[in-house]
Amino acid sequence: QVQLVESGGGVVQPGRSLRLSCAASGFTFTSFLMHWVRQAPGKGLEWVAVIWYDGNNEYYADSVKGRFTISRDNSRNTVYLQMSSPRAEDTAVYYCARDHFGGSFRFDLWGQGALVTVSS
Amino acid sequence: EIVMTQSPATLSVSPGERATLSCRASQSVSSNLAWYQQKPGQAPRLLIYGASTRATGIPARFSGSGSGTEFTLTISSLQSEDFAVYYCQQYNDWPPLTFGGGTKLEIK
Repeated sequence: QVQLVESGGGVVQPGRSLRLSCAASGFTFTSFLMHWVRQAPGKGLEWVAVIWYDGNNEYYADSVKGRFTISRDNSRNTVYLQMSSPRAEDTAVYYCARDHFGGSFRFDLWGQGALVTVSS
Repeated sequence: EIVMTQSPATLSVSPGERATLSCRASQSVSSNLAWYQQKPGQAPRLLIYGASTRATGIPARFSGSGSGTEFTLTISSLQSEDFAVYYCQQYNDWPPLTFGGGTKLEIK
């Protein structure tokens, strides 16, 4: 079954760290770029980060650059988002998403989402 | 950063009628434009890419058009399952990839 399953969401205090995981199955993981996209409560979609097939390139939204790190473990078919120094405005549902194909930078497969609440 | 603007914010249409949603880019994105549908509590679903190509499994009542800065998503003969929020996204110039604010399609 082709799917993405996120885990690791929850409540985190401002300034602490949290790592989200996204396990992929049913497709050749190494053939796809992988992204994180987030959605604040009641708001629209915001792209967060992308990582290349081999993990050697990554790009970020300015809002998270220097605080969040995207990585992948191709042996585990898993992509991660390390959230350091989170702020209240990082509260959102975080989706991992598969790039459509060939570095198209659109998203054809999404996980169910992981809710992250940044609060003291 | 390319800013995507969707209109209207909310669109009320009766089942069986046609819905026309608009998306405007702050600068040309060529045809590098995708549309997504999101229902409450669910992840988005890719509907259209390349401004006018339906994604796998998307019914023919969904169609996209436009290029440059002006784009349209048309849903002919609305079905009950089509009432949702729709987002456009440009992938011509990145980072960042950017989305519009969404159009909520509601039952009239």
